[in-house]
Amino acid sequence: EPEVTQTPSHQVTQMGQEVILRCVPISNHLYFYWYRQILGQKVEFLVSFYNNEISEKSEIFDDQFSVERPDGSNFTLKIRSTKLEDSAMYFCASSEAGTGRKSSGANVLTFGAGSRLTVL
Amino acid sequence: SQQGEEDPQALSIQEGENATMNCSYKTSINNLQWYRQNSGRGLVHLILIRSNEREKHSGRLRVTLDTSKKSSSLLITASRAADTASYFCATEDSSYKLIFGSGTRLLVRP
Repeated sequence: EPEVTQTPSHQVTQMGQEVILRCVPISNHLYFYWYRQILGQKVEFLVSFYNNEISEKSEIFDDQFSVERPDGSNFTLKIRSTKLEDSAMYFCASSEAGTGRKSSGANVLTFGAGSRLTVL
Repeated sequence: SQQGEEDPQALSIQEGENATMNCSYKTSINNLQWYRQNSGRGLVHLILIRSNEREKHSGRLRVTLDTSKKSSSLLITASRAADTASYFCATEDSSYKLIFGSGTRLLVRP
């Protein structure tokens, strides 16, 4: 069964350092997402991406965050200068249907296993 | 925001019992979905119910939706130890974005 893969599974970084989290979405999916989950808390929407541009972003997704699809397979989340409160599990997801456009199907997401970010 | 909010936050039952989790949301939705998360893993889609549906079944799962009360419930019948996980409801808004609730942590004791 197709799956979303994320790397690294765990990254430890010093406050102020840049971090790049990588994701390989399912190959025929067109919509990509990043969510984050602070330990034991709710899963929070960060950003959605379609056709090489951001479709929608949350208040959390400030200027420290950026996303990119550098080639045909990878989808990355960059945090420019990490803060302690960025420590969380970051989940990538992809879907056939998606945000910002009328679609015939519901938006069912396939998630990766997550990348745990620890900022010291 | 129209985040779903689940209750209870945590539920502990004996294997073989039924587990019921509830979700409430705030604004109109296209559909409501339930996802499962094993500890330290990603979310897995379980079942979707559209806004014009009232009840849906999938194996041991039964989902209800009451749009007048803006609430949904997930029933897992004849629970197994392997059902131990966190369960999240997610509402799809008018822009097709999925917003997740806080989740219910289910423990099924063998």
